[in-house]
Amino acid sequence: DQQVKQNSPSLSVQEGRISILNCDYTNSMFDYFLWYKKYPAEGPTFLISISSIKDKNEDGRFTVFLNKSAKHLSLHIVPSQPGDSAVYFCAASVLGTYKYIFGTGTRLKVLA
Amino acid sequence: SQTIHQWPATLVQPVGSPLSLECTVEGTSNPNLYWYRQAAGRGLQLLFYSVGIGQISSEVPQNLSASRPQDRQFILSSKKLLLSDSGFYLCAWETGSNIQYFGAGTRLSVL
Repeated sequence: DQQVKQNSPSLSVQEGRISILNCDYTNSMFDYFLWYKKYPAEGPTFLISISSIKDKNEDGRFTVFLNKSAKHLSLHIVPSQPGDSAVYFCAASVLGTYKYIFGTGTRLKVLA
Repeated sequence: SQTIHQWPATLVQPVGSPLSLECTVEGTSNPNLYWYRQAAGRGLQLLFYSVGIGQISSEVPQNLSASRPQDRQFILSSKKLLLSDSGFYLCAWETGSNIQYFGAGTRLSVL
């Protein structure tokens, strides 16, 4: 049972345009969400997070939106740069449980 | 600053051989520690996590085990590797910030 789903395995975007990566979850108990970026043969690096008490969090070019009623979150990257090309994972957690459930990832390719 | 070390970076092992992957964290105390596996074309699967020395929680029944002999050391082991154990193994730590920080990973190929 995949509690966190990233239904788009890949996405291609032109440099300078907006990249939108989507993530859906099924467990309504999740109250903390994170996005990670991963390059090949490296560990994931933390990008941005959001608590369920918010519906938006912004950090530079990265914005995460949370729609609790739809159990959906998205990561917006504006403007997209070639260095953003990587696999992006969303993750969800119930605060205090120490467990993080990751999605299957979306490979983003930013075309120069 | 905190750092996490994982070794080896790459490992090729025959089926039926034992396994020991080590992860150590520096610059923090009493971290929560995690082992994940990323199989080819798959997401990150949580294998084990530990909130303290000797405390191990297993998430998926499998051929692997984990141990935490010291506060900042986390070991992933197997007595006999299977072909299906191949994958990219990642160690991570977290200390109350709700953000996990990952090591560089170990690419395990079981042949």
